[in-house]
Amino acid sequence: GQNIDQPTEMTATEGAIVQINCTYQTSGFNGLFWYQQHAGEAPTFLSYNVLDGLEEKGRFSSFLSRSKGYSYLLLKELQMKDSASYLCAALMGDAGNMLTFGGGTRLMVKP
Amino acid sequence: GAGVSQSPSNKVTEKGKDVELRCDPISGHTALYWYRQSLGQGLEFLIYFQGNSAPDKSGLPSDRFSAERTGGSVSTLTIQRTQQEDSAVYLCASSLVGQGTEAFFGQGTRLTVV
Repeated sequence: GQNIDQPTEMTATEGAIVQINCTYQTSGFNGLFWYQQHAGEAPTFLSYNVLDGLEEKGRFSSFLSRSKGYSYLLLKELQMKDSASYLCAALMGDAGNMLTFGGGTRLMVKP
Repeated sequence: GAGVSQSPSNKVTEKGKDVELRCDPISGHTALYWYRQSLGQGLEFLIYFQGNSAPDKSGLPSDRFSAERTGGSVSTLTIQRTQQEDSAVYLCASSLVGQGTEAFFGQGTRLTVV
């Protein structure tokens, strides 16, 4: 399979900034997704990167370096509702459609 | 429908029984994925369908697991002779084919094998 690694858990303070890292195997890579999943709910789409660089969307930004097989999700001005799991997923394969997930990073935001 | 629909939402079954889980993808989505998620864990890939191509079954954990997709739309995941370790949430997702197209998830089926 395609090894996608991200930290298991992170803790941050309300109002702060947190960066969640993700590394993946570069062979056959075609794009990188970040999903948010609240406990007991389905994952929901946050961002997509296919080119190197930073994509900003409100309080959330995602960065990709294809050569390094590295991405991060940056969450600014943290709110309590941001407590959730954040899933890194790589689009892999010749057809570019095989979506493989990492184990997820459980983020706890504290007051 | 407006989103990915899965049924049942919850299923409790006795060890050794067979179960069928259903997924109705978003209309027009040719790619369909099944994942399994144990409590507090990430998504474990099971199987992937894309159009009329042969499905990628590389994630199925054993020959007790099988899946079909009829008419390029509805998919059924079947688990035969269920075991307690099969207890998990089974998530289905669908997407359009092409780079950058996000996958939309159903709410999942929570399977409990007792």
